[in-house]
Amino acid sequence: IAGITQAPTSQILAAGRRMTLRCTQDMRHNAMYWYRQDLGLGLRLIHYSNTAGTTGKGEVPDGYSVSRANTDDFPLTLASAVPSQTSVYFCASSGTDGTTDTQYFGPGTRLTVL
Amino acid sequence: GQNIDQPTEMTATEGAIVQINCTYQTSGFNGLFWYQQHAGEAPTFLSYNVLDGLEEKGRFSSFLSRSKGYSYLLLKELQMKDSASYLCAVSDSNYQLIWGAGTKLIIKP
Repeated sequence: IAGITQAPTSQILAAGRRMTLRCTQDMRHNAMYWYRQDLGLGLRLIHYSNTAGTTGKGEVPDGYSVSRANTDDFPLTLASAVPSQTSVYFCASSGTDGTTDTQYFGPGTRLTVL
Repeated sequence: GQNIDQPTEMTATEGAIVQINCTYQTSGFNGLFWYQQHAGEAPTFLSYNVLDGLEEKGRFSSFLSRSKGYSYLLLKELQMKDSASYLCAVSDSNYQLIWGAGTKLIIKP
């Protein structure tokens, strides 16, 4: 592994189903982030983690949850998917514990909720 | 509220120069980033400005004026591979990145 990986690459999901998007980084970065990107809108922060064991809410956290059990992994869970959660999801990481630092992005997960 | 404005789309000719503007209103300022995003791919880091002035990096330069809440990305000697979206993002008082919607740059031969 080099950098950040995300799985799955894409997924079609029935409304009401539970889904976990996986994100793993091997750069030993402290901070990790989940964004969603929708056409015509900027990237919007869903949840973040400044260091292992801590998480925080971003701009659009409703309907999503995260955990940060270790440095490398930061899964995003949709407890009961709804069509408005159809989007491209990007995981990112940065080296410091939440101060200004360059964020590096994973390849994204394209999620369609029907 | 917090707001980042940049043009939706721009067109330029191969070999030419293009300037992509970004204006921002945020609660606090801890730096401004430019990212490049090719269609269907992840954003990749281009530049970071925290002090006023011009930062040059090869064919790309980025300028910042904090008093005006303004930045631009200058791309010289345009190549077809520069066709992409360019994202402006500001780090606010909580060190969260606030993102613009991006500028789609179309390069014509």
